[in-house]
Amino acid sequence: NAGVTQTPKFRILKIGQSMTLQCTQDMNHNYMYWYRQDPGMGLKLIYYSVGAGITDKGEVPNGYNVSRSTTEDFPLRLELAAPSQTSVYFCASTFIPGQGTEAFFGQGTRLTVV
Amino acid sequence: GENVEQHPSTLSVQEGDSAVIKCTYSDSASNYFPWYKQELGKGPQLIIDIRSNVGEKKDQRIAVTLNKTAKHFSLHITETQPEDSAVYFCGVKGGATNKLIFGTGTLLAVQP
Repeated sequence: NAGVTQTPKFRILKIGQSMTLQCTQDMNHNYMYWYRQDPGMGLKLIYYSVGAGITDKGEVPNGYNVSRSTTEDFPLRLELAAPSQTSVYFCASTFIPGQGTEAFFGQGTRLTVV
Repeated sequence: GENVEQHPSTLSVQEGDSAVIKCTYSDSASNYFPWYKQELGKGPQLIIDIRSNVGEKKDQRIAVTLNKTAKHFSLHITETQPEDSAVYFCGVKGGATNKLIFGTGTLLAVQP
């Protein structure tokens, strides 16, 4: 199993550009999460999903959108990139948090907006 | 909404000493508390977790204690080794929601 796979690993965007960060998992997990990690800071929840077709806002959703059309994929969309969105983005997945399985994280996507 | 605070933000210990990291949370219905370790350039990895019906859990040199009344939990690492140096995050899953949120992290440095 590959686990949680994020692409791309690195990306530089210009202000105002848009892009989609891809996240896919092959563990048939119900729950998927997107976090951002600013330099020297903790993990902030952007959006999460409890299953295909269902998404909810996290702590810092502004400037982002998500979709969950399949169990495997949970892409994160930035429509108008801003310097404040420079960060490392992590995707995670689990069956049901706290009930038998841990949340697995991807390796991260380092995004710089210039 | 749910909130989790983590202290200290940095911690330096001598090899062989113990390290303790503490977290407090706001939602009394929270029921799951994982601890993650993040090495440089990598994604976080689970090292230990505890559920709300348990007060303490131990796995070799690592232990977690939970005080539900006071709404705080702690990570204890004994006999620290240089390879324990990393950033540690505490996590909280809300009781009424499926959010999994994290503290601000603790940078642990173990000096040989």
